[in-house]
Amino acid sequence: TQLLEQSPQFLSIQEGENLTVYCNSSSVFSSLQWYRQEPGEGPVLLVTVVTGGEVKKLKRLTFQFGDARKDSSLHITAAQPGDTGLYLCAGVSGGYQKVTFGTGTKLQVIP
Amino acid sequence: EPEVTQTPSHQVTQMGQEVILRCVPISNHLYFYWYRQILGQKVEFLVSFYNNEISEKSEIFDDQFSVERPDGSNFTLKIRSTKLEDSAMYFCASRYRVSRANEKLFFGSGTQLSVL
Repeated sequence: TQLLEQSPQFLSIQEGENLTVYCNSSSVFSSLQWYRQEPGEGPVLLVTVVTGGEVKKLKRLTFQFGDARKDSSLHITAAQPGDTGLYLCAGVSGGYQKVTFGTGTKLQVIP
Repeated sequence: EPEVTQTPSHQVTQMGQEVILRCVPISNHLYFYWYRQILGQKVEFLVSFYNNEISEKSEIFDDQFSVERPDGSNFTLKIRSTKLEDSAMYFCASRYRVSRANEKLFFGSGTQLSVL
């Protein structure tokens, strides 16, 4: 069974602060994805990282894939209330690109 | 942006009843998936479907579950005899191809199934 553990599970910060969310697994994935999920909605893909050591930036969000392709991090700079939500990492594996989700990090940014 | 559509948004059923959850994937997509999320827990993979057959399934997807693409546009998940523990949000997802690692997986808004 492929497990992805995220930390922290919950994070409540003030607007303008920086934060990092971690995603760790004992399995190697062909790629790793980060999603954001709003209440009552399906996950929405933010980014896919493919190469070990890869770094991708999406405005104030920076995503990194570990060298061994088993872990990843999401760093948010100067968090905004609009960043509030559930962030999910997900490992992609197999010929049919099965997506295995992590345990999730619930972020609250207080104005 | 194109959307995956799921109906109904909420379904309430009695234990032991059969339910069918419906999904309309994006029209040119070829790979289809069902996931579920029990309240407060992580999103779990149930099954993937390609070329009119199951390509992979999880241990959750037992004999009570089945999937079908009856008419080339709909993709359904049937639970034959629902149990209390089947209560969850069920998400359908689709993608065009799997040959590129960053090919986007599109999720529907989900069907909240409540088994009483």
